[in-house]
Amino acid sequence: GAGVSQTPSNKVTEKGKYVELRCDPISGHTALYWYRQSLGQGPEFLIYFQGTGAADDSGLPNDRFFAVRPEGSVSTLKIQRTERGDSAVYLCASSPQGPNEQFFGPGTRLTVL
Amino acid sequence: GNSVTQMEGPVTLSEEAFLTINCTYTATGYPSLFWYVQYPGEGLQLLLKATKADDKGSNKGFEATYRKETTSFHLEKGSVQVSDSAVYFCALSTLGGGSNYKLTFGKGTLLTVNP
Repeated sequence: GAGVSQTPSNKVTEKGKYVELRCDPISGHTALYWYRQSLGQGPEFLIYFQGTGAADDSGLPNDRFFAVRPEGSVSTLKIQRTERGDSAVYLCASSPQGPNEQFFGPGTRLTVL
Repeated sequence: GNSVTQMEGPVTLSEEAFLTINCTYTATGYPSLFWYVQYPGEGLQLLLKATKADDKGSNKGFEATYRKETTSFHLEKGSVQVSDSAVYFCALSTLGGGSNYKLTFGKGTLLTVNP
């Protein structure tokens, strides 16, 4: 079956620009997570959705970052006024509700020039 | 808060050698423990997991035992293959607010197996 997909796979933007990163989870998975992976580091938690609502956004680094999941399926991570320090791979994962395996997408590599 | 410390890499082995990658953790509550693997050009995928003390997770010849007394979850394989070359991440999850099972990862260990 189809896994988690993320688009675009690569995004290059200029400092100060706005970007949107999309995640399409596995059908039927109610839990959706966003993580950020900087070079040489493990993924770090950003935000968690249970259904349509952001149940935990404690990992978002500042108010330039925002994410939505309006219909409880596809999610979009939005970054305003991008900075060079935002360059990283942004990972999305989904799982059925509860303490289940998280299935990861291939990631979006964001480069801010 | 939660944290995971895993063996610094890179690790380079010859085929059929024994592998150990150390992982220790700090957690509030009772964590579940995981090893994820990232093969070149691919996304993260679960390798094995253990959800309570003394559980042993195993998959593809890899094993790890949940040791509560030493807060460890070391990854082992008796005979590595070239195809095992990848980055390995140790991770934990505990239940947070709103049924959040977010993962906390270590920094990853790059394993290269030479023929």
